[in-house]
Amino acid sequence: QKEVEQNSGPLSVPEGAIASLNCTYSDRGSQSFFWYRQYSGKSPELIMFIYSNGDKEDGRFTAQLNKASQYVSLLIRDSQPSDSATYLCAARRNQGGKLIFGQGTELSVKP
Amino acid sequence: EPEVTQTPSHQVTQMGQEVILRCVPISNHLYFYWYRQILGQKVEFLVSFYNNEISEKSEIFDDQFSVERPDGSNFTLKIRSTKLEDSAMYFCATRGETGVAGYTFGSGTRLTVV
Repeated sequence: QKEVEQNSGPLSVPEGAIASLNCTYSDRGSQSFFWYRQYSGKSPELIMFIYSNGDKEDGRFTAQLNKASQYVSLLIRDSQPSDSATYLCAARRNQGGKLIFGQGTELSVKP
Repeated sequence: EPEVTQTPSHQVTQMGQEVILRCVPISNHLYFYWYRQILGQKVEFLVSFYNNEISEKSEIFDDQFSVERPDGSNFTLKIRSTKLEDSAMYFCATRGETGVAGYTFGSGTRLTVV
């Protein structure tokens, strides 16, 4: 069974700090990785995706990918209370393919 | 920002009844998916649909489930005889043709089977 694993949290950080969210995957055939944010009772909202080893930055968000270690992370700089949500990591083998989701990490940003 | 629209937002149904969940994809998107999320659990893949046919389905997607795109716009998920364990949020997702574009999720339908 191909799995994506995340710590369920909750991860609590103070406002303005860096939040670090981690994800590992078991399928070495996974090519692309996605981070979604999900507020309680709402649908997943795409934050960013990454498919090359290294870092990818978008505003306050940085995704990091290490295919050798099968590890993906998301850093959120200058965390805000509005960032409080569950963050879902997902992996995909090929374009058009299904997303395999982790169970999500709950992030709480305290004012 | 283009949206994926799902209806209804909430449906309550008796066990054994048929339900149809509807999705209006983003107009130029060609790949369509259904996912579900049981309360407190992972988002799970059900089925993918491309070029008017199923391209992949999970073991959850058994004979009780079916999908179609009857009029070229709506994308529907039918559950023929609902069970209590079908209670979940059902999300439609779509994506465009090219690149590594992420999937856009609809707002979801909360299905409650009683």
